[in-house]
Amino acid sequence: QVQLVESGGGLVKVGGSLRLSCAASGFTFRNSFMSWIRQAPGKGLEWVSYISSSGSTIYYADSVEGRFTISRDNTKNSLYLQMNSLRPEDTAVYFCARVGYGNNLPNFDYWGLGTLVTVSS
Amino acid sequence: QSALTQPASVSGSPGQSITISCTGTSSDVGGHNYVSWHQQHPGKAPKLMIYDVTNRPSGVSNRFSGSKSGNTASLTISGLQAEDEADYYCSSYTSSSRVVFGGGTKLTVL
Repeated sequence: QVQLVESGGGLVKVGGSLRLSCAASGFTFRNSFMSWIRQAPGKGLEWVSYISSSGSTIYYADSVEGRFTISRDNTKNSLYLQMNSLRPEDTAVYFCARVGYGNNLPNFDYWGLGTLVTVSS
Repeated sequence: QSALTQPASVSGSPGQSITISCTGTSSDVGGHNYVSWHQQHPGKAPKLMIYDVTNRPSGVSNRFSGSKSGNTASLTISGLQAEDEADYYCSSYTSSSRVVFGGGTKLTVL
């Protein structure tokens, strides 16, 4: 069965960095577009970034452009999110999600359980 | 990119039907047939309920249906059940190749 397991979250100070990972299994990872989506405590969902199957196409939300970098390693079935210059408003649960149904956004058909990132001053 | 507009809350009694609206612009909802709806129970990961405006993933009840008119998409749930109580989020592809979510709607089954 499809599994997405995020890791790497934690407590970090303002201006610090963190690298999130998402381990994928149960499907052909190298053929799938992937995305990061976050949810601040008690708030709604916010799309962060997506990456095409080969990694050649990448887009970011304006709120993270220039600070976050999405990447993937198809040999390790893993997705990553490098987060730099972190701000308090980046505090959220970060979900890894697969783009399904023809790799069409925003068809996020499988989600991980998320990893919590807390940015403190 | 501004968030899509959803009502903060809706409610209905068991067996009734409810509709949740999702209003965007011609640059997102109105410009593409790529609108999805996700259901999220407290403390859980979101679940895809509708994709490409009207399509249901395998395993999703046919009580859930989606539609779109102009810049507004809608999710209708018929025959409300207690287990449908959750938060619902719409999302759309945008003309700048990004994704925008709605603010979410809390559904209460009375």
